[in-house]
Amino acid sequence: EVQLVESGGGLVQPGGSLRLSCAASGFTFSNYWMQWVRQAPGKGLVWVSRIKTDGSSTSYADSVKGRFTISRDNAKNTLYLQMNSLRAEDTAVYYCTRETSYSGSYFSDYWGQGTLVTVSS
Amino acid sequence: DIQMTQSPSSLSAAVGDRVTITCRASQGISNSLAWYQQKSGKAPKLLLYAASRLESGVPSRFSGSGSGTDYTLTISSLQPEDFATYYCQQYYSLTITFGGGTKVEIK
Repeated sequence: EVQLVESGGGLVQPGGSLRLSCAASGFTFSNYWMQWVRQAPGKGLVWVSRIKTDGSSTSYADSVKGRFTISRDNAKNTLYLQMNSLRAEDTAVYYCTRETSYSGSYFSDYWGQGTLVTVSS
Repeated sequence: DIQMTQSPSSLSAAVGDRVTITCRASQGISNSLAWYQQKSGKAPKLLLYAASRLESGVPSRFSGSGSGTDYTLTISSLQPEDFATYYCQQYYSLTITFGGGTKVEIK
């Protein structure tokens, strides 16, 4: 059974940093692209970042570019999101997702339960 | 970035109704479109991908269609467990974008 379990969320002051983790199990982690998606309270889904199987390619939403860094440790089956210079508008539930491919394109098929990040003084 | 415009933002429907949700991309996305269902307090669930392909285990009352820039999610006969928020997502570009969501409520 595919499982994605996020951790590392919490309350942080504006300007602070936080590192989220996503522990993957039930599949060969190193074979899959992975993503982070966030959802502010009462709002819609917003894609944050994605990373290729071996970490050699990453992309980011403009809103987090230069502040967030996605990475992975395939030996530990874990995805990370390092978040620096946090702002109030980064407050959200952060979901880790697995990407699967069809006809050469990649989309999320499994999602974790999410971890809440609150940026407030 | 490709913008995804989803409509309506909310709708009220009765059990048994046929429901249609649309999503328009700001440029052609070659059927690289997925639909997700999200129930309150839960993670989203994949319903369809490649615009019209049903994810394993998803009831056949859900269907998708479209091409180019315009796509549709249809629920043929709304069931009590279908009341939720639905999102479209384009994955044509490396930077993924979601529609704003459609909340389906009980009439």
